[in-house]
Amino acid sequence: AQSVAQPEDQVNVAEGNPLTVKCTYSVSGNPYLFWYVQYPNRGLQFLLKYITGDNLVKGSYGFEAEFNKSQTSFHLKKPSALVSDSALYFCAVSTGGGGNKLTFGTGTQLKVEL
Amino acid sequence: DAGITQSPRYKITETGRQVTLMCHQTWSHSYMFWYRQDLGHGLRLIYYSAAADITDKGEVPDGYVVSRSKTENFPLTLESATRSQTSVYFCATAGMVSYEQYFGPGTRLTVT
Repeated sequence: AQSVAQPEDQVNVAEGNPLTVKCTYSVSGNPYLFWYVQYPNRGLQFLLKYITGDNLVKGSYGFEAEFNKSQTSFHLKKPSALVSDSALYFCAVSTGGGGNKLTFGTGTQLKVEL
Repeated sequence: DAGITQSPRYKITETGRQVTLMCHQTWSHSYMFWYRQDLGHGLRLIYYSAAADITDKGEVPDGYVVSRSKTENFPLTLESATRSQTSVYFCATAGMVSYEQYFGPGTRLTVT
């Protein structure tokens, strides 16, 4: 079975500072890794994905994530946080295949303060 | 072009009633999914469909029924609603070659 852990329920960061949202995963086989963001009363929006290739992947709104196979991690990062980045962030994993069924983490609430 | 829509957006129903949540997409994506979102659990897959007339169970299918007679529609039915099915329900789609899923705006269901 595949699983995702997001160890922090909430992350607080000051605007302009770098941010990191942590994610570790467990899967049999090669992982397909995703980050999604959810704003209040909205559906999830795709941010970025790792399928294969370069371990550092860049996504929307200046976010990036680094795949670390030895640590089974896929942390989300941004060099300079904005207040508008405040939202709920979900990490998800799959093994590809038909339909690419995702297993989500429990989510991390990011709060960026002035 | 709305892409993916869900209706109703909000629903209150009583225990034991049947309720159907609708999902409609305009992208002709092959795959469609139903998730429920609950605090402390993230999103959990209820059912998914690879194409019209092809559906399969996800992680938490009990108490739910799906059908997909047309590619663009994927309704989710709660046959006899229970309070534990109070949740926010999201429909999602994915194409054949792209791995990312695209989510609808959600339906907030309250079972009293």
